[in-house]
Amino acid sequence: GAVVSQHPSRVICKSGTSVKIECRSLDFQATTMFWYRQFPKQSLMLMATSNEGSKATYEQGVEKDKFLINHASLTLSTLTVASAHPEDSSFYICSARDPGLAVQETQYFGPGTRLLVL
Amino acid sequence: AQSVTQPDIHITVSEGASLELRCNYSYGATPYLFWYVQSPGQGLQLLLKYFSGDTLVQGIKGFEAEFKRSQSSFNLRKPSVHWSDAAEYFCAVSGATNKLIFGTGTLLAVQP
Repeated sequence: GAVVSQHPSRVICKSGTSVKIECRSLDFQATTMFWYRQFPKQSLMLMATSNEGSKATYEQGVEKDKFLINHASLTLSTLTVASAHPEDSSFYICSARDPGLAVQETQYFGPGTRLLVL
Repeated sequence: AQSVTQPDIHITVSEGASLELRCNYSYGATPYLFWYVQSPGQGLQLLLKYFSGDTLVQGIKGFEAEFKRSQSSFNLRKPSVHWSDAAEYFCAVSGATNKLIFGTGTLLAVQP
């Protein structure tokens, strides 16, 4: 089946530092990846859509200068939280769409990255 | 506006009992509907999906869901719950934009 990995699984950093999170599709090529944010006991909120070889599309209210997305290859998208602050602490989850599927896409989710900014 | 409502924030059932988790959606066009399960600190696993055709869809782990257009619902069911089913369940809808809109989730607890 389609497998998506994320690295790191957990990161703790000081306020003001930048953090990079990687999302990889392991057994398929993903032209589109999605980044979500989940606050404790809340649902997932789509942050941005990452398209291979082009700029990401951000949802309303998401700061593109704060959350930098790069989708340089068909198997890797990265989310960089620039100058992280405590309010950026959250659970970040990526998903990847397998374009090989015959039906309307199914998104496969990574295991998530827990970010804690001190 | 597109939205998904999961009216039950928290449900507790006894092991072996039947389960129904409710999901209502608001979507202007033909929706694509999904149920995902999330274990603590983990990503989401797809349980089942509805795109078209038979309105009763079967998923993994013994789950099924029924699409009822007249009620704008896509409730998840399981005839006999196992302790390992304790997790959070998310209903989601998407359409032509391929963006998933999630409900707020239902946390399932299973009593022995």
